[in-house]
Amino acid sequence: DADVTQTPRNRITKTGKRIMLECSQTKGHDRMYWYRQDPGLGLRLIYYSFDVKDINKGEISDGYSVSRQAQAKFSLSLESAIPNQTALYFCATRHTSTGELFFGEGSRLTVL
Amino acid sequence: QQQVKQSPQSLIVQKGGIPIINCAYENTAFDYFPWYQQFPGKGPALLIAIRPDVSEKKEGRFTISFNKSAKQFSLHIMDSQPGDSATYFCAASMEGGNQFYFGTGTSLTVIP
Repeated sequence: DADVTQTPRNRITKTGKRIMLECSQTKGHDRMYWYRQDPGLGLRLIYYSFDVKDINKGEISDGYSVSRQAQAKFSLSLESAIPNQTALYFCATRHTSTGELFFGEGSRLTVL
Repeated sequence: QQQVKQSPQSLIVQKGGIPIINCAYENTAFDYFPWYQQFPGKGPALLIAIRPDVSEKKEGRFTISFNKSAKQFSLHIMDSQPGDSATYFCAASMEGGNQFYFGTGTSLTVIP
């Protein structure tokens, strides 16, 4: 089983719909991240969390919200999806000592 | 503003060639420089990383060269193989920092 699991892997939705992407991890890491990947733009940070009570905005947080339900679970929500939120979304955890990021396999979101 | 600039955007080499991917940064507070490798349909995974106290690091066929004065670092892949075909991202972060700053990615194709 993957250490960082994202659901759903693929989702097609319509403009204005609320969407939630979920992430769970078995690595025991406190730090969790949501990134967005677009061709030619690389990986951009949306939100990150160091524990259940700690949520921080990244460079592109507008239009997104997150919830850290437990150490192992970190979900990303789009309250009212728009077409330019069509992208590949990655959840990641970070090893505190080494700094290494561990990514999930991604959630491809298409907003029509 | 892109914190880490990566080039080229794409690269095609023959098997056995030595592709080189370059990255540049501005923030001298960065002190951890990883490279991530991403295969289609997968999340990025750590390939190799360097800290600025050394100018070169090798792991198998992969080498990072680091030039602190020029604020540049590069990835060299020796004896490249078709299985190395992937997207490569450089990144930078600060000791104890909360965020990674990723380059825009390089799509590498190794032709048999």
